[in-house]
Amino acid sequence: DAKTTQPPSMDCAEGRAANLPCNHSTISGNEYVYWYRQIHSQGPQYIIHGLKNNETNEMASLIITEDRKSSTLILPHATLRDTAVYYCIVRIAGGTSYGKLTFGQGTILTVHP
Amino acid sequence: ETGVTQSPTHLIKTRGQQVTLRCSSQSGHNTVSWYQQALGQGPQFIFQYYREEENGRGNFPPRFSGLQFPNYSSELNVNALELDDSALYLCASSFISGTRAYNEQFFGPGTRLTVL
Repeated sequence: DAKTTQPPSMDCAEGRAANLPCNHSTISGNEYVYWYRQIHSQGPQYIIHGLKNNETNEMASLIITEDRKSSTLILPHATLRDTAVYYCIVRIAGGTSYGKLTFGQGTILTVHP
Repeated sequence: ETGVTQSPTHLIKTRGQQVTLRCSSQSGHNTVSWYQQALGQGPQFIFQYYREEENGRGNFPPRFSGLQFPNYSSELNVNALELDDSALYLCASSFISGTRAYNEQFFGPGTRLTVL
């Protein structure tokens, strides 16, 4: 699975959009970009995933560049409850190890009042 | 719909002992993965079970073993505990079918294991 690079920490004001970047320059054509987050002392929570098109769900939007070497997770109106570690993960589709998610250090997002 | 549950929530063991952790997968899911998360680190993949067989393994020694039962629940067993085994152990479930090979995983709250 391709490696990802994320900033170690970011701040965001409550009510503003939080834009979390991720670089995955070695991504291959059959690898998806996944985002999870982990609120303190809880298990990771799935947020969103995509292959090459931009994706949106009730939690967030995922913007993937045309060359697929980077992506941005957007939380449109951050709240204090969005304070968490956000992990960007690149994962091959299919294969025998469907379950393997390779977590890096992630980005600690702090939303302040 | 019932989410992923794990038991116990906390556990204290001494070095050399054995431990069994339990996980009930989310309703409708047929695959369980286990992760170890040391303090301040991201989760590390231990192994996955699908159709009651190990279906992928991370860089963990054989003293880490598991089981999956017909109801898709799972156990993680760790023998000969070492101090470095102290961590949060996470279970995640997902659904795999022949036509869909890539599925989001849903994590439980974890079991905090302390080895003294």
